[in-house]
Amino acid sequence: EAAVTQSPRNKVTVTGGNVTLSCRQTNSHNYMYWYRQDTGHGLRLIHYSYGAGNLQIGDVPDGYKATRTTQEDFFLLLELASPSQTSLYFCASSVGFSNERLFFGHGTKLSVL
Amino acid sequence: AQSVTQPDARVTVSEGASLQLRCKYSYFGTPYLFWYVQYPRQGLQLLLKYYPGDPVVQGVNGFEAEFSKSNSSFHLRKASVHWSDWAVYFCAVSIGNTGYQNFYFGKGTSLTVIP
Repeated sequence: EAAVTQSPRNKVTVTGGNVTLSCRQTNSHNYMYWYRQDTGHGLRLIHYSYGAGNLQIGDVPDGYKATRTTQEDFFLLLELASPSQTSLYFCASSVGFSNERLFFGHGTKLSVL
Repeated sequence: AQSVTQPDARVTVSEGASLQLRCKYSYFGTPYLFWYVQYPRQGLQLLLKYYPGDPVVQGVNGFEAEFSKSNSSFHLRKASVHWSDWAVYFCAVSIGNTGYQNFYFGKGTSLTVIP
């Protein structure tokens, strides 16, 4: 079973603060994704990447940056956090073919006060 | 444009009763469809996935889903619900070609199981 590990599990910051969410996958998957989950919206794609150094914009990218430093590591950056970014964030990875599944991390609960 | 609709935000069933969670998709190509489950304070886990072929797909823990191209649907079913099935269920469609893949999720259906 592919492993996707997110850190931290919980994070509290203040408006205007800097936050970095980390994700590591150990199966050398090509694709990695950042989603946010909010009640009434389900999962919404923020950014994704298909390899080290690559970044693709998702459906709700405003206010977020991301960086894929290695095949294994994908980071989500909130440089000026706002209360609207309070959410549950999930990282996921996949092989990259349309018939292949996503593997999810356990999530990071972020609160912006 | 591709999309996934789960028309029921919340479903409540009695333990032992049968269950159907609805999913409708919009996609012009060959759909690869998935059901994921999210237990409290956990990430999403795969229940089952559909590849073009047999329209009924078996998953884990007694779940199955039926694909209908004519109805653009992929409904999830279980014959007898257990209290441990209390969770949020997401339907998703995966699209892409070689070197590209993206997923579209429904908003989820929250299942409550009452004794």
